[in-house]
Amino acid sequence: DSGVTQTPKHLITATGQRVTLRCSPRSGDLSVYWYQQSLDQGLQFLIQYYNGEERAKGNILERFSAQQFPDLHSELNLSSLELGDSALYFCASSVTGGGWEQYFGPGTRLTVT
Amino acid sequence: GESVGLHLPTLSVQEGDNSIINCAYSNSASDYFIWYKQESGKGPQFIIDIRSNMDKRQGQRVTVLLNKTVKHLSLQIAATQPGDSAVYFCAECRANAGGTSYGKLTFGQGTILTVHP
Repeated sequence: DSGVTQTPKHLITATGQRVTLRCSPRSGDLSVYWYQQSLDQGLQFLIQYYNGEERAKGNILERFSAQQFPDLHSELNLSSLELGDSALYFCASSVTGGGWEQYFGPGTRLTVT
Repeated sequence: GESVGLHLPTLSVQEGDNSIINCAYSNSASDYFIWYKQESGKGPQFIIDIRSNMDKRQGQRVTVLLNKTVKHLSLQIAATQPGDSAVYFCAECRANAGGTSYGKLTFGQGTILTVHP
């Protein structure tokens, strides 16, 4: 158990809908990262927050957004969902803003039908 | 379990053998190289890292080798056990223009390691 929690574990929704994925980092970790894992793209970095502020951005679609709250939990919002958004979404956390030793949660499997 | 890719390289070994997993990277400006292990149904798990100014680093039963000349990274697992069966990813961590690493990891495609008892 990495200490990172993600909810929900599974999510099935229809195209055009909007969903919110939630992540709680390990106790004491200030940085949260979001990754998307799909069969065709592999594991892709989406976005990083450090102590409430956006720190780095990857290939995150404009339809996707995220935020980190004062209690350090983070949410990833996915809107206008398309079939191609079906994937595993992982949240990871690290103590510092530049951490490459990241602790990953169990992931949220999103299925868009 | 679930696979993370239909066309990932695979390595099959017998329990007790040594395993070598290879990775080619593209960016010579990367500061750190990291290996992660992903077991079926779980998130990736940090194994070991190596700084770009080093060529070898050892951990418990694992050794990472970095050859910057040919941009090659390898993970050696000694006395491989069935519990080592997983997908192994190499990742790069690059600094921004100011030299600060933001922990933005770029992952390789992964290698499926299967250990037979």
